Parts: sequence; C-alpha cells; structure tokens
Amino acid sequence: EVKLVESGGGLVQPGRSLKLSCAASGFSFNDYWMGWVRQAPGKGLEWIGEINQDSSTINYTPSLKDKFTISRDNAQNTLYLQMSKLGSEDTAIYYCARVGYYSGLDYWGQGVMVTVSS
Amino acid sequence: DIQMTQSPASLSASLEEIVTITCKASQGIDDYLSWYQQKPGKSPQLLIYDATSLADGVPSRFSGSRSGTQYSLKISRPQVDDSGIYYCLQSYSTPYTFGAGTKLELK
Repeated sequence: EVKLVESGGGLVQPGRSLKLSCAASGFSFNDYWMGWVRQAPGKGLEWIGEINQDSSTINYTPSLKDKFTISRDNAQNTLYLQMSKLGSEDTAIYYCARVGYYSGLDYWGQGVMVTVSS
Repeated sequence: DIQMTQSPASLSASLEEIVTITCKASQGIDDYLSWYQQKPGKSPQLLIYDATSLADGVPSRFSGSRSGTQYSLKISRPQVDDSGIYYCLQSYSTPYTFGAGTKLELK
C-alpha cells in the first residue's frame, strides 16, 4: 500500500524557517518524481514544485522559488520542503504527492498544517 | 503561466442528473490534464489522468473528455458520496496550475 506521511508542521513566527518531511512507503521511492502542493484555509490548491528521481531537476512555482527548497533522500525514502522567510500568506495545509507515470498526482499524503503567526 | 479557468464555481445537482465540470486552458496542454476530488478535511484524490483515463478504483460513472482546449469531467448518475470539491490540474508545463475548484452539492 502506498503511504505518504507528512510531518514537521506547526506554529512558526513570521520570518522564521521550517522544514517539512514526507515519509514514503509501499512503492519504490527512487523511481518517481515527487511534489508538494499547499492549500490555504478555505482556498484552492496551489502547486509548489516537484523533484525528479535523482534530484537533478527541481521545478518551482516562480513566486516561491526564492523561499522554498525541495529535496529528497532516496536512502531514507523521504521528501523534504525547506521553507524560509515565512509570512502569514504561507499559512496552509502542505501536501506531498507522488507524480504518476502519466499526468497527475496519483497519491497524496494526509497533509500537515503550517501556521505562521506571532 | 498556463491559466486554467474552471466552471462552474459551485453547483447543486440531483442524483438523476449528469454533472459536467469544465476547465479551459489558456493554451494547448496536450492532454496533460488530471481531475481530483476533495472531501472536507481530506486530501485530494486522483480521478482522471491524461484527460480521459480513469484512475485505479474510481467508479465508471466518472469520465473525462476534451474539446479543443476545454476539458470536461462528467459524473453520470452521481451518488451522494460524490459531494465535494473538484479540481483540474494541468501538468503540461511548469508551473503546473490548478483550476479554482468546483463545489458540488448533491440533493
């Protein structure tokens, strides 16, 4: 069974950094692109970015490129999202997702809440 | 960036109707289009990939189609359990972009 479990969320002060993790199991992690999506409270989905199997290609949505860094550790079957200079606009549920071999994100984690507030 | 214009924003339908949700891409996306269902408090679930292919375990009452740069999700004889918010996603070029979502209520 494919499982994606995010962790590392919580309350963080404006301007600070936070690193999210996504533990993957039930599939060959190093065979897939992986991505992050977020959803602000009561809002729609926003694609953050994705990383390929060997980390040689990482794509970001332009507005977040200078704040967020996606990485992965294939030995640990874990995906990461390093977030810096956080502001209230970054308050959201953050989902990791597996990029399917065809178009689409075929498996999603349960999400982790990040709240940016003083 | 490719814009995905999704409509309607919300709709209320009966169990006997055929529900159609559309997403119009601002340019060609070569069928790199997927559809998701999200229920309250849950993560999105893939319904359709490559514009017309049904994801594993998704009931056959869901289907996808394309006409030009407009993509449609159709639910034939929806069930009460199909209530939720539906999103399209283009993954033809980065940054990938979601539609704004359609809230479906079944009565």
